[in-house]
Amino acid sequence: KQEVTQIPAALSVPEGENLVLNCSFTDSAIYNLQWFRQDPGKGLTSLLLIQSSQREQTSGRLNASLDKSSGRSTLYIAASQPGDSATYLCAVGPYSGANNLFFGTGTRLTVIP
Amino acid sequence: GAGVSQSPSNKVTEKGKDVELRCDPISGHTALYWYRQSLGQGLEFLIYFQGNSAPDKSGLPSDRFSAERTGGSVSTLTIQRTQQEDSAVYLCASSSDGALAGGTGELFFGEGSRLTVL
Repeated sequence: KQEVTQIPAALSVPEGENLVLNCSFTDSAIYNLQWFRQDPGKGLTSLLLIQSSQREQTSGRLNASLDKSSGRSTLYIAASQPGDSATYLCAVGPYSGANNLFFGTGTRLTVIP
Repeated sequence: GAGVSQSPSNKVTEKGKDVELRCDPISGHTALYWYRQSLGQGLEFLIYFQGNSAPDKSGLPSDRFSAERTGGSVSTLTIQRTQQEDSAVYLCASSSDGALAGGTGELFFGEGSRLTVL
């Protein structure tokens, strides 16, 4: 069964700093990997989706990379802002054998003004 | 609609009562998922619908849980004889097509229904 791990569980940084969130998965046979943001008491907002054939995706200050062979993805946030404070989750879509995404438990990010 | 809509946003019920949670996916999305998020836990897959295919119920935790999707659109998750351990946020997501259908598989989530069982 696919296992997804996100380290660290929590991270605090001063405003303006660049940061990297990590996601690792045990089975490299994935269809895609998706990064989400979750604000307290809210649902999940899709940030970036990387297909298995892609190495990275960019949206504004966010850049996500994928290395299937090593079972890792990173989410890079440039010039962090207090509004970036949220929990960030990665989810892996399997190629076959299951219809659901496998989620990590998230990294809770706090950007200090 | 513009996004995935879930109702109610909050539900408080007494142990032993039945509850129904509703999900209205993005118009035209054929794939629909239910997940459960307990306090401090990751997302737990419950059930998946894809078009007119038989649903994947492999994540339902017990026979007290059931879900249906009428007309390929709105879905209802029913929990019978609720227990305190059912307290959680129930999240619905939809996708224009499932990954196994050859699509992108990108999921869009609703705001969730927070269930509290007293």
